[in-house]
Amino acid sequence: QSVLTQPPSASGTPGQRVTISCSGSSSNIGNNYVYWYQQLPGTAPKVLISRSNQRPSGVPDRFSGSKSGASASLAISGLRSEDEADYYCASWDDSLSGWVFGGGTKLTVL
Amino acid sequence: EVQLVQSGAEVKRPGATVKISCKVSGNTVSDHYMHWVRQAPGKGLEWMGLVDPEDGETKYAEKVRGRVTITADTSTDTAYMELSSLRSDDTAVYYCAMSSCSTSRCSMDIGVDVWGNGTTVIVSS
Repeated sequence: QSVLTQPPSASGTPGQRVTISCSGSSSNIGNNYVYWYQQLPGTAPKVLISRSNQRPSGVPDRFSGSKSGASASLAISGLRSEDEADYYCASWDDSLSGWVFGGGTKLTVL
Repeated sequence: EVQLVQSGAEVKRPGATVKISCKVSGNTVSDHYMHWVRQAPGKGLEWMGLVDPEDGETKYAEKVRGRVTITADTSTDTAYMELSSLRSDDTAVYYCAMSSCSTSRCSMDIGVDVWGNGTTVIVSS
């Protein structure tokens, strides 16, 4: 049981906009930044969104992050086949004094 | 460019101890919080803990606290993760990771953005 809750799966067709949610509490998302990671099969995770809504250099602007209260979302617009991957949210948890991850969302491009 | 290069795969018996290394190149380990994250086969990411190489302060996840020790050697720019009393459910890929933001500017609640290549640990009798 992950501290952060994500839907286990999401899907969309090429060109569509897809949103992945991440729900937490006041001790994590509600009071701290959210990070989003993309993991392609057999590879290490890669940061997509840092500090809730910032895109690191090299990340396409098709990816965007937002946060409201104790929930966060990752939006992917103009969906492409290469976006098919697992996506994880993460945040610092003040009560646990550590990092927590969501369970991950498997994105399928139909 | 900062790179994290991890040691090779390990096969261990239940009850044994494993120690994995993570060499930092292109930067200095002492300037960054070093994290360890693992991923069991077919499962999600699990944060294990971190170390501040500057003063040795550590934070550990409750699930592995008491069995895990994370350290850093500033003379060799290398971080280590040691896990003892291994069980079959410790079988996983173990990643080291760091935030490119230095400890002088950022606290440990700033997330990681550089990842190692991963080390597979198999625990089997």
